[in-house]
Amino acid sequence: QTVVTQEPSFSVSPGETVTLTCGLTSGSVSTNYYPSWYRQTPGQPPRALIFSTNIRSAGVPDRFSGSILGNKAALTITGAQADDESDYYCVLYVSGGTYVFGGGTKLTVL
Amino acid sequence: EVQLVESGGGLVKPGGSLRLSCAGSGFTFTTYKMNWVRQAPGKGLEWVASIRGSHGYIHYADSVKGRFSISSDNAKNSMFLQMNSLRAEDTAVYYCVRESFDWLAFDYWGQGTLVTVSS
Repeated sequence: QTVVTQEPSFSVSPGETVTLTCGLTSGSVSTNYYPSWYRQTPGQPPRALIFSTNIRSAGVPDRFSGSILGNKAALTITGAQADDESDYYCVLYVSGGTYVFGGGTKLTVL
Repeated sequence: EVQLVESGGGLVKPGGSLRLSCAGSGFTFTTYKMNWVRQAPGKGLEWVASIRGSHGYIHYADSVKGRFSISSDNAKNSMFLQMNSLRAEDTAVYYCVRESFDWLAFDYWGQGTLVTVSS
């Protein structure tokens, strides 16, 4: 069974850079997992940020970038702003046409 | 403009059944793979099932396999999720989600419909 890991919470000061990660309990995340990232604010559906490791969804500012760092996928927010405070989820495409989400990271900007 | 509208949620007793619907507009259903993703109250996201309209390729998460059935009516640009043998742990907001044509990722999400399984 594939288990995707994310930091449960992260705190950043306005203007700073933060990197959230997306890993596997067994093995390494590579581009072959087509990692994608989403943000969600309370009461709203998730909104796409990054597709296929590093492709920004339409309208997403270039402060948001995706990459592979070591054995994990990563979402970097450069110059964090107050309204970046959200839950962030990664999802990996695994074999057999299925997807597995990470548990999400609650980002606090203060 | 792409829109996805879910309906059919509600309160159901354990062991009961419910059928969710998703109406899509602003795109051609048969071109895209469609998914159901759920979120239990206060919890994270869980991919549930997918279907590719034109070919009917279907996949399920292990947690719902054998109990849930996904289908689509391409003529009506609609997708359905028949949920049987419902359990308390199936309580969640169920989102209708479109998979990007170019990327293995989810580009559009509906607002969701709440399913509560409780006696």
